[in-house]
Amino acid sequence: AQTVTQSQPEMSVQEAETVTLSCTYDTSENNYYLFWYKQPPSRQMILVIRQEAYKQQNATENRFSVNFQKAAKSFSLKISDSQLGDTAMYFCAFMNHSPLTSGSRLTFGEGTQLTVNP
Amino acid sequence: KAGVTQTPRYLIKTRGQQVTLSCSPISGHRSVSWYQQTPGQGLQFLFEYFSETQRNKGNFPGRFSGRQFSNSRSEMNVSTLELGDSALYLCASSTGPGGREQYFGPGTRLTVT
Repeated sequence: AQTVTQSQPEMSVQEAETVTLSCTYDTSENNYYLFWYKQPPSRQMILVIRQEAYKQQNATENRFSVNFQKAAKSFSLKISDSQLGDTAMYFCAFMNHSPLTSGSRLTFGEGTQLTVNP
Repeated sequence: KAGVTQTPRYLIKTRGQQVTLSCSPISGHRSVSWYQQTPGQGLQFLFEYFSETQRNKGNFPGRFSGRQFSNSRSEMNVSTLELGDSALYLCASSTGPGGREQYFGPGTRLTVT
């Protein structure tokens, strides 16, 4: 079974600064997907970024980028130019690549509460 | 395109009762997954449906069940409610199984008293 660990329960950053959220995972699979989701106070889960394990290039979406280290099983999220609207709970999630056996099942970490201060 | 919708948004039930939650996926999406979110257990996978078939099931008791209709809408049912079933129930849809992005609905907040 896969496990996802987020070791930082809470983090804070000043507006316009950069912050990095950590995530490690454990799996015996070689092909899989990794995601970061954010959940603001509205509780709506929003997809931030997606990484395919077979791709060496780190995914980037505007101010959000990841540092994917497959050998270390590490998947950190970097948020540049932090904005007040980035305040949310951030979840790291794992999905196995095998649709026939695992479907679209997401395994989530415990979450990191990020607060952006003005 | 409309997002994932869940009804009702809030629900209060008494122990022993049963409840049915509904999820309408994004148009064109055929896969629907359900998750339970609690402060103590975090986000846990309940089950996934694709083309009206349950593809995957999490580690929950048989009191939790679901189904999917031909229009891809899904319902989940919890029978004999317990206090511990109080949670936010999230539904997510995707075009199909296997690595595709999942888009979540706003959730149904269930309180069992």
